Amino acid sequence: SQTIHQWPATLVQPVGSPLSLECTVEGTSNPNLYWYRQAAGRGLQLLFYSVGIGQISSEVPQNLSASRPQDRQFILSSKKLLLSDSGFYLCAWSYREGGKAFFGQGTRLTVV
Amino acid sequence: GESVGLHLPTLSVQEGDNSIINCAYSNSASDYFIWYKQESGKGPQFIIDIRSNMDKRQGQRVTVLLNKTVKHLSLQIAATQPGDSAVYFCAAEGAGTALIFGKGTTLSVSS
Repeated sequence: SQTIHQWPATLVQPVGSPLSLECTVEGTSNPNLYWYRQAAGRGLQLLFYSVGIGQISSEVPQNLSASRPQDRQFILSSKKLLLSDSGFYLCAWSYREGGKAFFGQGTRLTVV
Repeated sequence: GESVGLHLPTLSVQEGDNSIINCAYSNSASDYFIWYKQESGKGPQFIIDIRSNMDKRQGQRVTVLLNKTVKHLSLQIAATQPGDSAVYFCAAEGAGTALIFGKGTTLSVSS
């Protein structure tokens, strides 16, 4: 069966510090991968998606970047965090673009 | 751009009642729709999905209705239980990208 791992579960970082969140998927190959952000009490905002190694599409211009160094690994990064980067970050995968997405447990990021 | 919106941000029901959560979408070309349940501090979990060639689909205690004419989607939960308390999201297949999510309805079930 397929599983998705996302870590860390919580993270407190100072403003201006770098960020690296990692997500891995097991049990499937060539998944579509996604990063979403969820602000408190809000919906899910798509940040990045990837249909293959090295292929990244950005939906929202921002202080973040994403990379896919391996087929089942998706990384969300920032060189310098802003207060507005605080939120709940969710990684997800699907068999195809726009298809049913399976989510990780999320990372609660607080920038202080 | 495309959007998916929920009609009510919160819904409060008594245990045993039926719950109905509504959602509207903007893209008439959307072909696939999903309902997710998100419990506090966790990632969204799939509940039920429906394709545009159907207008109704039933699962265990849940039913999704799709009205393509008015671009409206609803989730019905029968005999709502305290464990159903969560935030519910509808999502629609975007134009060649990922799912587009609505803002969510918080369902509160009281005993």
